[in-house]
Amino acid sequence: ETGVTQSPTHLIKTRGQQVTLRCSSQSGHNTVSWYQQALGQGPQFIFQYYREEENGRGNFPPRFSGLQFPNYSSELNVNALELDDSALYLCASSPGGPRGYEQYFGPGTRLTVT
Amino acid sequence: AQTVTQSQPEMSVQEAETVTLSCTYDTSESDYYLFWYKQPPSRQMILVIRQEAYKQQNATENRFSVNFQKAAKSFSLKISDSQLGDAAMYFCAYRSASNNDMRFGAGTRLTVKP
Repeated sequence: ETGVTQSPTHLIKTRGQQVTLRCSSQSGHNTVSWYQQALGQGPQFIFQYYREEENGRGNFPPRFSGLQFPNYSSELNVNALELDDSALYLCASSPGGPRGYEQYFGPGTRLTVT
Repeated sequence: AQTVTQSQPEMSVQEAETVTLSCTYDTSESDYYLFWYKQPPSRQMILVIRQEAYKQQNATENRFSVNFQKAAKSFSLKISDSQLGDAAMYFCAYRSASNNDMRFGAGTRLTVKP
């Protein structure tokens, strides 16, 4: 069984640029959630995608957007990068059915904005 | 809004001993899920144990067990026979049954001394 994978591992961008992060969900999982984890803090929920539709959103501005594809993989796009966007971005996938509330995390993408 | 509080930024335990990590949460809901996640320095978040709020019996997974006190809104994690590989950041998390927003605490850094 393949776990959640994310790419790239590390990324350095300049303020004002745009970035796209990618996530492949665990085999058999149809829901993907994205989190931002600032240094020394717990993850914060950005949004969730289920069957290619946004299915819940945290307190993040519209410049954070996403996509989910028919194979359930997902992208997180951030426009007009700000210094405070520097963080570890985590993707988590969930199975359908009665265990749908569980989330399994990928290794994350470390984004640095200079 | 639901909040999760971990009052112990750091804890240490001697190898083979038992340690308890604390977590409290604030919610007005009756149906929800609670989790403990482990994040080693390699940063991949690993699900340690889960508890459904409607279940009175405390969850157990091998050396890991929880003390779930619903009325007190408390959800502590007990690690028995601590091993060096248990050293990590531990996050307590809450998820409502009615939405997809998972809330995390700030984490507790556990050190295991040989």
